[in-house]
Amino acid sequence: GQQVMQIPQYQHVQEGEDFTTYCNSSTTLSNIQWYKQRPGGHPVFLIQLVKSGEVKKQKRLTFQFGEAKKNSSLHITATQTTDVGTYFCAGVSGYSTLTFGKGTMLLVSP
Amino acid sequence: NAGVTQTPKFRVLKTGQSMTLLCAQDMNHEYMYWYRQDPGMGLRLIHYSVGEGTTAKGEVPDGYNVSRLKKQNFLLGLESAAPSQTSVYFCASSPDSDVSYEQYFGPGTRLTVT
Repeated sequence: GQQVMQIPQYQHVQEGEDFTTYCNSSTTLSNIQWYKQRPGGHPVFLIQLVKSGEVKKQKRLTFQFGEAKKNSSLHITATQTTDVGTYFCAGVSGYSTLTFGKGTMLLVSP
Repeated sequence: NAGVTQTPKFRVLKTGQSMTLLCAQDMNHEYMYWYRQDPGMGLRLIHYSVGEGTTAKGEVPDGYNVSRLKKQNFLLGLESAAPSQTSVYFCASSPDSDVSYEQYFGPGTRLTVT
């Protein structure tokens, strides 16, 4: 079945440093979504990418979808303590449901 | 709008007991989902529904049953709980008829089976 792999599993940065998490799929995706889950909270939708090579920005967050539509990345510029949480990518292939990666836990020290 | 709500928030069961988790959404969404989240495992789909009266199996359906008698409600049942079902359970819903639309998650139910 479809597999979505995410790296790294965990990253600890100092406030102000940049952060990137990568997502790779075993199959070509029709779209990819990103979610954020704060500690003790529930996943919250951030963005959806659909087009090959698509790049979208949300303030300090930049999302990319690979040309082959099998990989994606989330980059946070100048992290803040409010960025703490686990970031999940989730991909859709064909008519299947969303398959979530295992997530990258981000810890930001002030 | 309350969005997606889940009851109960916490529950402790003994092995072999049964229970039902309730999910309700007030956004008139067609699609609803049940996930479980275990440390280091991400979110795994248990069952989902594409509309009232329909259900389908996800990645890890064994030991669970579901029902969608009303569009706004999606019930997850454990007939005979096992310690392996200790987890955090999230319900989610999405609008329209396309599984690729964003999902709205409930606050979760933390279940412990002893």
